[in-house]
Amino acid sequence: DQQVKQNSPSLSVQEGRISILNCDYTNSMFDYFLWYKKYPAEGPTFLISISSIKDKNEDGRFTVFLNKSAKHLSLHIVPSQPGDSAGYFCAFTGTASKLTFGTGTRLQVTL
Amino acid sequence: NAGVTQTPKFQVLKTGQSMTLQCAQDMNHNSMYWYRQDPGMGLRLIYYSASEGTTDKGEVPNGYNVSRLNKREFSLRLESAAPSQTSVYFCASLQGRIGNQPQHFGDGTRLSIL
Repeated sequence: DQQVKQNSPSLSVQEGRISILNCDYTNSMFDYFLWYKKYPAEGPTFLISISSIKDKNEDGRFTVFLNKSAKHLSLHIVPSQPGDSAGYFCAFTGTASKLTFGTGTRLQVTL
Repeated sequence: NAGVTQTPKFQVLKTGQSMTLQCAQDMNHNSMYWYRQDPGMGLRLIYYSASEGTTDKGEVPNGYNVSRLNKREFSLRLESAAPSQTSVYFCASLQGRIGNQPQHFGDGTRLSIL
């Protein structure tokens, strides 16, 4: 039973426009929510996070939104750049020292 | 600035062979993790070690063993490799409380079992 779902395996966005990546979860006990970026043949790298007590966190072009009532997490990238083309994974953590990852969305930013 | 180093980067095994994947971190982190990534499945936790001398099972531990050799090193062993264990394996480390601090990942070991 998958606790974290990224329903869009891929997303294509034009350079300069907004990219919106989504993640849905079922476990209401998660208390931290993270996004990781992954290039092919490399390990994931941390991008941005948000705690369950907040509903928004910004870092430059990246903003993460948390809707606890809908159990929905999203990542907005504005403006999108070609270097943003990569895999994006949401990840969640609760009381144990473990992360639960989503299935990933591959973002392609076109010129 | 090496971070998390995994060896080997690639390996091909025959069914039934054994193999140890090595992971070392130079950031003095307390916690270390092993994940596998399969197409359409995201990253799934195999085992983790919250501190030197302790190990715990993750989501998919069957067929694997681990050793936290010291604070720096955390190895993953396949005693009798099976084709279902063909995957990309990632090691990660963490200092502090998970979620509050991000995990740092190695670049992965690509393992094929024939």
